Amino acid sequence: KAGVTQTPRYLIKTRGQQVTLSCSPISGHRSVSWYQQTPGQGLQFLFEYFSETQRNKGNFPGRFSGRQFSNSRSEMNVSTLELGDSALYLCASSLVSPGQGAYGYTFGSGTRLTVV
Amino acid sequence: GQQVMQIPQYQHVQEGEDFTTYCNSSTTLSNIQWYKQRPGGHPVFLIQLVKSGEVKKQKRLTFQFGEAKKNSSLHITATQTTDVGTYFCAGPRGNQAGTALIFGKGTTLSVSS
Repeated sequence: KAGVTQTPRYLIKTRGQQVTLSCSPISGHRSVSWYQQTPGQGLQFLFEYFSETQRNKGNFPGRFSGRQFSNSRSEMNVSTLELGDSALYLCASSLVSPGQGAYGYTFGSGTRLTVV
Repeated sequence: GQQVMQIPQYQHVQEGEDFTTYCNSSTTLSNIQWYKQRPGGHPVFLIQLVKSGEVKKQKRLTFQFGEAKKNSSLHITATQTTDVGTYFCAGPRGNQAGTALIFGKGTTLSVSS
């Protein structure tokens, strides 16, 4: 079966611009989470969506936002980009079993964002 | 705040030597997950441990979950060059419902032949 697909793979943006990243989860996975990975901070949770609703949000400023569509595809948006937003943005989908919690994530290959 | 810590940060071994990475949480975890990320790649799920004192094996990899459900370890027997990468542990983030995880900073393993 197809894995988690993230587009684009690479992006170069200028400070102050905004960017939208896309994620298509594994078919049947309704939970989609986003993480930011940097060498200094590691993997940090951004937000999680389940059935089009944001279920959890990490400790990131309001410039970071996301949404999920009825087909479970998700997008995240970063407005007013800063140099410190340069990172690998990873999308992960998960099969959530009622009463048993979540199984492990399947991550996409990520979007490498460079802000100059 | 909630923290998940891993040691060591880096480990270099000769091929055939054993390797262990340790994970400690500041809070009790309902489960712990382990992931491996190859250089230039993305994290790949290895295993989830749920029960106190649980031990699971995957070929040369042995995973343990502590009795208090606050620590875990991953042991690789007779490392191979294919084991190179960064190993992360992760636990549920806070008491929130859902799948959000808090990750350790990882242990980066290098193996020389």
